[in-house]
Amino acid sequence: NAGVTQTPKFQVLKTGQSMTLQCAQDMNHEYMSWYRQDPGMGLRLIHYSVGAGITDQGEVPNGYNVSRSTTEDFPLRLLSAAPSQTSVYFCASSFRQPSGNTIYFGEGSWLTVV
Amino acid sequence: KNEVEQSPQNLTAQEGEFITINCSYSVGISALHWLQQHPGGGIVSLFMLSSGKKKHGRLIATINIQEKHSSLHITASHPRDSAVYICAPQKTSGSRLTFGEGTQLTVNP
Repeated sequence: NAGVTQTPKFQVLKTGQSMTLQCAQDMNHEYMSWYRQDPGMGLRLIHYSVGAGITDQGEVPNGYNVSRSTTEDFPLRLLSAAPSQTSVYFCASSFRQPSGNTIYFGEGSWLTVV
Repeated sequence: KNEVEQSPQNLTAQEGEFITINCSYSVGISALHWLQQHPGGGIVSLFMLSSGKKKHGRLIATINIQEKHSSLHITASHPRDSAVYICAPQKTSGSRLTFGEGTQLTVNP
């Protein structure tokens, strides 16, 4: 049982490049989400999904795109990377919405945009 | 003002000491999560509680819904407890998590 798997762990991008952070879970969780973590700030929600085919925006969605074609996978796309997107990104999942359910996090992806 | 305030921001203790980390929040919540983030970044859920008190080993979490306050206690602290501890209330409206900035705990041998 792998839990929540994120790739890549480290990535350096040039401004304007695009890339996709991959997230997969093998626990049959309905709820998946992406957060970014910046120094001096708490984790902030980028996008989330309550099931296959359903996604919605969080607090800081600009510059990011998501899709949920299967229950297992929830990739995060950076459309045109900017230095402000330098951050640590975490994917998380729970059985349903986190209320009343344990939340599981991936190991994190360190992204630097130069 | 942040919706979630944790204190202290940094805490250094000697092995064996009793540790308390506090979390105050200003929003209505349905539950509150305590998370642990180790050096290297991985985040693990320690507790999820909506009332009263929960205990796992040397860790105890309490919540007072009326006072909008939660505490995380570590008894007989150990260097392996060194980590960032994050409070994450679950908002009633929209069911989203909101996160504190975390408390950096260092336990020295």
